[in-house]
Amino acid sequence: DTGVSQNPRHKITKRGQNVTFRCDPISEHNRLYWYRQTLGQGPEFLTYFQNEAQLEKSRLLSDRFSAERPKGSFSTLEIQRTEQGDSAMYLCASSLLAADTQYFGPGTRLTVL
Amino acid sequence: DAKTTQPTSMDCAEGRAANLPCNHSTISGNEYVYWYRQIHSQGPQYIIHGLKNNETNEMASLIITEDRKSSTLILPHATLRDTAVYYCIVRVSMDSNYQLIWGAGTKLIIKP
Repeated sequence: DTGVSQNPRHKITKRGQNVTFRCDPISEHNRLYWYRQTLGQGPEFLTYFQNEAQLEKSRLLSDRFSAERPKGSFSTLEIQRTEQGDSAMYLCASSLLAADTQYFGPGTRLTVL
Repeated sequence: DAKTTQPTSMDCAEGRAANLPCNHSTISGNEYVYWYRQIHSQGPQYIIHGLKNNETNEMASLIITEDRKSSTLILPHATLRDTAVYYCIVRVSMDSNYQLIWGAGTKLIIKP
């Protein structure tokens, strides 16, 4: 399978704990995007990378959120001190270039108890 | 804010063509229309995109009006597996990035 992969697919955590998600983009794709999706809504942009550089962060990305793409390949999204409002589906997408189609992974569903 | 408006939900009989409308009256000249769909609990799946001309691929056809203020996604022979939420999206240019601005989509239910 050469599509975008995300791990884990599901994560249940207690409020106040830290969680980390991983995204492996399509090979050779330079752009990697993170989105958040809550029930009944479309995805909301969080941040994106051009290779290893994080070029934009949405105002939705609070200080508790941090994303990295250290070698320009896979990316991680960490949420510190989780809150119940962080419960959502976290989606990763990748594209070859800026103007190209974004292809999405299956998402990581986070539930904060 | 989303630049598109879509019906909240639609039904279609299996085997018939499903026509999903979308209004994007504020679209700018260089902004593309994209369609994705999302089957329950999965990530969005790319369907098709276009700028001015009608487009067709193995999944669907996209018909864009001449004034570009609206478009229609056509699934020619709907099957039960086409039941999903369909998102019509305008891709906007922001600095060095292109952003997909998502609305709430249309929930399409294919009935046997």
